[in-house]
Amino acid sequence: SQKIEQNSEALNIQEGKTATLTCNYTNYSPAYLQWYRQDPGRGPVFLLLIRENEKEKRKERLKVTFDTTLKQSLFHITASQPADSATYLCALGLTGGGNKLTFGTGTQLKVEL
Amino acid sequence: KAGVTQTPRYLIKTRGQQVTLSCSPISGHRSVSWYQQTPGQGLQFLFEYFSETQRNKGNFPGRFSGRQFSNSRSEMNVSTLELGDSALYLCASSFVLAGDTQYFGPGTRLTVL
Repeated sequence: SQKIEQNSEALNIQEGKTATLTCNYTNYSPAYLQWYRQDPGRGPVFLLLIRENEKEKRKERLKVTFDTTLKQSLFHITASQPADSATYLCALGLTGGGNKLTFGTGTQLKVEL
Repeated sequence: KAGVTQTPRYLIKTRGQQVTLSCSPISGHRSVSWYQQTPGQGLQFLFEYFSETQRNKGNFPGRFSGRQFSNSRSEMNVSTLELGDSALYLCASSFVLAGDTQYFGPGTRLTVL
């Protein structure tokens, strides 16, 4: 069966450290993968998109990697801040799927002082 | 540029009733997608419209329907409401046909009693 799994447990880290979030998928061949941030009671906010032929993408303190052999994406937030505390969602897009996204379950990140 | 707007923000209905939710995409965006978010199932794709045509549909019963108007505004309708339809309904818009950044609205919180 098809599955997208993210860190099931909440992730607590100290301010200034690097947070690493994992997204593993099975029985998918995504054309691209996106990461979103969601705060309570709000809609998801787009962070980064990486395509199947790309290995790594960076944007300011954010970095995402995409390994289609391992069927895994890693999302890193460097120099984390309390304001980074939120739920982070990975989402897969398939060739021919238009803009349809299939989302993972999300990882709740808490950055402590 | 104004973001994606959804109305109403909150809605309470009783079982058996029907409901219509509205979404206005970002100006110039022609793709509108709808998602249902619940604590148990996470974010699940309902359908996508592009230029007034439904392009993709998720695995939801026929009670869930939608449409898009010539100005790209979209509505979704749920008939014969069930308790399990209680959820946050999110609308997302994007500019191009496929594989683009999705801009989400704040959602409509539907409670079915």
